[in-house]
Amino acid sequence: QVQLQESGPGLVKPSETLSLTCTVSGDSISSYYWSWIRQTPGKGLDWIGYIFDSGSTNYNPSLKSRVTISKDTSQNHFSLKLTSVTAADTAVYYCARLRGSWGDAFDMWGQGTVVTVSS
Amino acid sequence: QSVLTQPPSVSAAPGQKVTISCSGSSSNIGNNYVSWYQQLPGAAPKLLVYFNNKRPSGISDRFSGSKSGTSATLDITGLQTGDEADYYCGTWDSRMSSLVFGGGTKLTVL
Repeated sequence: QVQLQESGPGLVKPSETLSLTCTVSGDSISSYYWSWIRQTPGKGLDWIGYIFDSGSTNYNPSLKSRVTISKDTSQNHFSLKLTSVTAADTAVYYCARLRGSWGDAFDMWGQGTVVTVSS
Repeated sequence: QSVLTQPPSVSAAPGQKVTISCSGSSSNIGNNYVSWYQQLPGAAPKLLVYFNNKRPSGISDRFSGSKSGTSATLDITGLQTGDEADYYCGTWDSRMSSLVFGGGTKLTVL
């Protein structure tokens, strides 16, 4: 059974870099696409970006200048870095598996991790 | 506001049917596949429908999706109190070069 688990600091200071890792078990990240999505309090879902099985990436244009998604196949995890954060980046961050062959559907999700941007 | 438009809330009695709509444009729903997600309180979203109308293994046939033109709908029949959740539609937007979601619809089972 595929499981995804986010990890990283729950508190980040304004202007600093948010760093999260998603550890995948039950599947190899060498297959499929792997994505980050966030949800701000009381609001909807916001796609951040994804990394292809090839290692190339695709980012939400609204965040592209601040986002980097990378992966470590040997550790079977992928990571998110978001630079120059502000209070607007406070959200629950989810990692998810994206099935391109299913019409771009996210079929597996982590439980989510809360990140607060505050001094 | 979201690229995809959903009603903020819908409600119906147990056993009844409810329809949740998702309205978009030719750059998103009109030319791409739609997926639907259920988010129970305090939980991560869960995929209910992909490819407009396909259900992943393990998803009840009480949930069904459809698409027509630039709109999509999610039907839930035989409503149960356990269906109370937020529901989101999602698709690719070719103009924005981005995956996009609707603003979500809160389902209340009266």
